[in-house]
Amino acid sequence: GQNIDQPTEMTATEGAIVQINCTYQTSGFNGLFWYQQHAGEAPTFLSYNVLDGLEEKGRFSSFLSRSKGYSYLLLKELQMKDSASYLCAVRDRDYQLIWGAGTKLIIKP
Amino acid sequence: GAVVSQHPSRVICKSGTSVKIECRSLDFQATTMFWYRQFPKQSLMLMATSNEGSKATYEQGVEKDKFLINHASLTLSTLTVTSAHPEDSSFYICSARDITGDSYEQYFGPGTRLTVT
Repeated sequence: GQNIDQPTEMTATEGAIVQINCTYQTSGFNGLFWYQQHAGEAPTFLSYNVLDGLEEKGRFSSFLSRSKGYSYLLLKELQMKDSASYLCAVRDRDYQLIWGAGTKLIIKP
Repeated sequence: GAVVSQHPSRVICKSGTSVKIECRSLDFQATTMFWYRQFPKQSLMLMATSNEGSKATYEQGVEKDKFLINHASLTLSTLTVTSAHPEDSSFYICSARDITGDSYEQYFGPGTRLTVT
């Protein structure tokens, strides 16, 4: 079966750095996405990785290792507005998105 | 970036009635649209995949006669919740896939919050 694992909840301090991990086992691989979702809102796109390595976009970076079936989302200089759920999703061989359950990130002052 | 709209954003209906939710891709053509449902504090659950001009493909456990999907054009898909019950109250989100370029990116609508009383 297909499976994506990410921690249920994480807590971090404003101004700090946090890393949210995601491991996956899917039927094929055509890219990995990270989405941010605030409560009551639809997900918004954060990053896309299809090749191994680190993709940096401002305060957010995403890393992928296809051989390990592993990705992480790194958030720097945390702000209170970063409190949200972060969803990892993998596109399988049929270009369907397989979703993780999401990681709720709580930022404390 | 690509924009997907949903209408209505919120709807309250009585038990037993039907509700139609529209999903539109505003600046791109979407041959494939997806309908998700999300209960509080849970992740997205794919309900069905809708391809323009053909019947939708429903995920296991989703009643196709209750959740009617019509993808009549390259920019519009509709989800009709028939004979709604309180347990259908949820956040319904559509996404549209842009097949141009290489990324096959999915763009999400803002969601529709359905409350059945």
